[in-house]
Amino acid sequence: DGGITQSPKYLFRKEGQNVTLSCEQNLNHDAMYWYRQDPGQGLRLIYYSQIVNDFQKGDIAEGYSVSREKKESFPLTVTSAQKNPTAFYLCASSIGTSGRTGEQFFGPGTRLTVL
Amino acid sequence: GQNIDQPTEMTATEGAIVQINCTYQTSGFNGLFWYQQHAGEAPTFLSYNVLDGLEEKGRFSSFLSRSKGYSYLLLKELQMKDSASYLCAVRSFTSNDYKLSFGAGTTVTVRA
Repeated sequence: DGGITQSPKYLFRKEGQNVTLSCEQNLNHDAMYWYRQDPGQGLRLIYYSQIVNDFQKGDIAEGYSVSREKKESFPLTVTSAQKNPTAFYLCASSIGTSGRTGEQFFGPGTRLTVL
Repeated sequence: GQNIDQPTEMTATEGAIVQINCTYQTSGFNGLFWYQQHAGEAPTFLSYNVLDGLEEKGRFSSFLSRSKGYSYLLLKELQMKDSASYLCAVRSFTSNDYKLSFGAGTTVTVRA
């Protein structure tokens, strides 16, 4: 079955530690995205990538880093510089970015709790 | 940037109809999406509108008026499983790039 996987579903880390969230897709999509979701707020874009080896900052990139070495993979690192990292993180992918190809498919999410 | 407004919560009875409104302000409008998200799960695609008018898909319909910056999602014959958050997302094309911005979501509770 084609889809997007994120692991782990729940993640606990101590304050000051970097942590990397995994996102893999086998849909052969070119574009991939990372969002953060907090209670009462819409999804906010952290980073996105339209092709391999290229990515752009979203609205709230500070304290995060990404890489896109393979088409299938777009890991997100939450660094110790992120002031409020506890949140639900969603990864998404799309065929392209315009028209119906811009429809984004979401992974199941990772709930990160920083203690 | 985009300003997307939708009601925070709505409650309806099983079998009824509910209409979720979404208003937006954006430059370079390039389409509007509706997603459904059950608690703790991933959003799933419901509908896409880029031209004015109504798009119908089974029990769900979505309407768009670009001149008014307005869309609604209509859920008919409500079922208990429709209890979820519904996200309005607006895509814009500015600075030679596409961007999708999400509203905060409307939590719909279906009562028996």
